[in-house]
Amino acid sequence: SQQGEEDPQALSIQEGENATMNCSYKTSINNLQWYRQNSGRGLVHLILIRSNEREKHSGRLRVTLDTSKKSSSLLITASRAADTASYFCATDAMNNDMRFGAGTRLTVKP
Amino acid sequence: GAVVSQHPSRVICKSGTSVKIECRSLDFQATTMFWYRQFPKQSLMLMATSNEGSKATYEQGVEKDKFLINHASLTLSTLTVTSAHPEDSSFYICSAKNGLAGTEQYFGPGTRLTVT
Repeated sequence: SQQGEEDPQALSIQEGENATMNCSYKTSINNLQWYRQNSGRGLVHLILIRSNEREKHSGRLRVTLDTSKKSSSLLITASRAADTASYFCATDAMNNDMRFGAGTRLTVKP
Repeated sequence: GAVVSQHPSRVICKSGTSVKIECRSLDFQATTMFWYRQFPKQSLMLMATSNEGSKATYEQGVEKDKFLINHASLTLSTLTVTSAHPEDSSFYICSAKNGLAGTEQYFGPGTRLTVT
């Protein structure tokens, strides 16, 4: 079963705009990770945030984690057409397995 | 980062045949490996978790007699889809973890299975 939900399910923006995706989960976690997946391809690991961290940055990516609300957000700033992909959050739970959210399909229009 | 490979990357088989997919950790010992299935435009669904040398733990709704998992060594896990049917056509992704809960999980590139 999946761990949680992501919203929005689909997001379409213009190049240069920021994209924000949210993820909610249900159980206690060790860490939460965000992945990108281009259509029909494998996963690309973007960023890992541990349960004792609240915010993390990597280039144009900013991830927040609120363990009290069991939610996380991924912000992509100054989006590019190449950012078009599906984005998934995945939670690494206390029982050592990793489960994925439903994903957000991001389309960045040039 | 660590590398996980899968073989084959694509396979087409006839209905009723069995297909084996290999997942290898190339530069670390994978104490735990995971198998996921992804249908088009959907998320990854965990199928089973396997620890080296022991039986796999299957998620609810996943038939263990149909999806045979063998984690015979610290670098290799195999998933065999037995008596495959068209509805088994999917993208199968493995991942591997070295050690304790909370350590990073590394994903293979996936295997696209098409059953005709």
